[in-house]
Amino acid sequence: KAGVTQTPRYLIKTRGQQVTLSCSPISGHRSVSWYQQTPGQGLQFLFEYFSETQRNKGNFPGRFSGRQFSNSRSEMNVSTLELGDSALYLCASSLGPQDQETQYFGPGTRLLVL
Amino acid sequence: AQSVTQLGSHVSVSEGALVLLRCNYSSSVPPYLFWYVQYPNQGLQLLLKYTTGATLVKGINGFEAEFKKSETSFHLTKPSAHMSDAAEYFCAVSPSGSARQLTFGSGTQLTVLP
Repeated sequence: KAGVTQTPRYLIKTRGQQVTLSCSPISGHRSVSWYQQTPGQGLQFLFEYFSETQRNKGNFPGRFSGRQFSNSRSEMNVSTLELGDSALYLCASSLGPQDQETQYFGPGTRLLVL
Repeated sequence: AQSVTQLGSHVSVSEGALVLLRCNYSSSVPPYLFWYVQYPNQGLQLLLKYTTGATLVKGINGFEAEFKKSETSFHLTKPSAHMSDAAEYFCAVSPSGSARQLTFGSGTQLTVLP
């Protein structure tokens, strides 16, 4: 069974641009969460989607948004990029909204903002 | 609000020696607790998790952790380190009811010396 896939794996953008990252969950998984990992702030929760609905959102500005499609694939968008948005963005999937389910992480998309 | 403190950003052990990675948490509600491992240029892999029940949790690759409510700790141990254990380890907490919204510690880089 294929794992969580994230595309692209690497991305370079300039300040002010916007970016869209994609995540395909494990087949059959319906819940997708996004995290940002930076050397300074560590791993921080961005948001979680289930059945195309955002269930939880972390403490990030409105420039960060996401969505989930009917096939459970998810995208996150960052508008008006800032230097501080340079990070590894990790996506995780799980079967559904059951508390004890394991989240499986993808390899991440490394974003560099110049 | 929850938080996680990992004591020691870098830990070095000799191959065959005991591995002990420390994690203390604060949570206003009964927590779910997790340990993840991250190898270079990869996503996070779940080592083990505590949700309810037995406080001694066994995970993959010979790791285990014990939930001690009185000490608000969830330390990770392995009796005998292997070179392949060298990686970064993250402790995470979530409030029961939202296992996919994780709060991570700052991570501990484990080095295994030959």
